[in-house]
Amino acid sequence: DSGVTQTPKHLITATGQRVTLRCSPRSGDLSVYWYQQSLDQGLQFLIQYYNGEERAKGNILERFSAQQFPDLHSELNLSSLELGDSALYFCASSVYIGEGNTGTQFFGPGTRLTVL
Amino acid sequence: GNSVTQMEGPVTLSEEAFLTINCTYTATGYPSLFWYVQYPGEGLQLLLKATKADDKGSNKGFEATYRKETTSFHLEKGSVQVSDSAVYFCALSNFGNEKLTFGTGTRLTIIP
Repeated sequence: DSGVTQTPKHLITATGQRVTLRCSPRSGDLSVYWYQQSLDQGLQFLIQYYNGEERAKGNILERFSAQQFPDLHSELNLSSLELGDSALYFCASSVYIGEGNTGTQFFGPGTRLTVL
Repeated sequence: GNSVTQMEGPVTLSEEAFLTINCTYTATGYPSLFWYVQYPGEGLQLLLKATKADDKGSNKGFEATYRKETTSFHLEKGSVQVSDSAVYFCALSNFGNEKLTFGTGTRLTIIP
């Protein structure tokens, strides 16, 4: 158990809908990262938050957005869903960003999104 | 930009065989290197890491050495077990840009 929790575990929805994925980082971790794992694209970084602020953006679609709340949990919002958005979405957390950070990230179990 | 190239899978070995999964990378500066493992139906678990040249990461009998001259971080294990069957991902991150860049993953199956 990594200490990172994600809900829900599975999500099935229809095209055009909107969903919210939730992540709680390990206790004390200020950084949260979101990744998408799909068969055709592999594991791709989406976005990173640090202590409530957006820190880095990757291959995140404009239809997707995220935020990190004062209690450090994070939510990934996916809207106008398409079939191609079906994937496993992982959240990861790490302890801090700063001098000497080696970037060790601990992953949650993932949310499997199926868009029908 | 950063990239990671992993040995194509799937790889099938007999129990107690020697394992090597090749990983090479392209990155600016001095990245940290990682191996993550994904067991069936589960999330990613950090297997081992190395943060500078010539460092050797090790865990659960697996080892990998950070080779800057060949930009490689090959994963090895002397004697694999059925329980090692999983997908293995090589990854890197740069100081100041902590996102992980992953390889495509190598599916390993160990047969008794």
